[in-house]
Amino acid sequence: DAGVTQSPTHLIKTRGQQVTLRCSPKSGHDTVSWYQQALGQGPQFIFQYYEEEERQRGNFPDRFSGHQFPNYSSELNVNALLLGDSALYLCASSLAGQPFSYEQYFGPGTRLTVT
Amino acid sequence: AQKVTQAQTEISVVEKEDVTLDCVYETRDTTYYLFWYKQPPSGELVFLIRRNSFDEQNEISGRYSWNFQKSTSSFNFTITASQVVDSAVYFCALSEHSGNTPLVFGKGTRLSVIA
Repeated sequence: DAGVTQSPTHLIKTRGQQVTLRCSPKSGHDTVSWYQQALGQGPQFIFQYYEEEERQRGNFPDRFSGHQFPNYSSELNVNALLLGDSALYLCASSLAGQPFSYEQYFGPGTRLTVT
Repeated sequence: AQKVTQAQTEISVVEKEDVTLDCVYETRDTTYYLFWYKQPPSGELVFLIRRNSFDEQNEISGRYSWNFQKSTSSFNFTITASQVVDSAVYFCALSEHSGNTPLVFGKGTRLSVIA
């Protein structure tokens, strides 16, 4: 049973550049959530995708955008990178219709470093 | 607004000692869910437990136990007879509105178990 996978594992970008991170949900899951985890902090919710649409969004600027494909995989795009965007980006998958009260399955994350 | 506080930034114990990780939460909601997740060095968050606001019964799972007290807004986590494999960062999280709002995480407690 394949768990949540994310790519790449690590990424180094320069300020002002754009980055795309990828996530494949756990087998059988169709909902993907993205979180940003800065060093020494807990994860912060960015947004959630279901049926190829953004269903909920946290307090992040429009530079953060996403997409979900028909196979339920998802991408997180960040434009005009800032130093403060350096973080571990976590993807979590769950089943449709289940609120956040249900368990989410997390991937290992993508470590983004902005220089 | 919902908030989760984990006052212990780092804890170090010797193997076989018992250790308690504290979690204090704030919410005005009456129906909410509390969670504990473990984050090993590999990065992915591993679900440990979910508890709804109407169930104050303490829970034990092997060496793990949880104490939920609404009167003090606390949801503490105890590891009995700690092992080196328990070394990780542990996060407490809260979801309000019957679990329909995204998880809000505390800053985490880094536990180091020394052999």
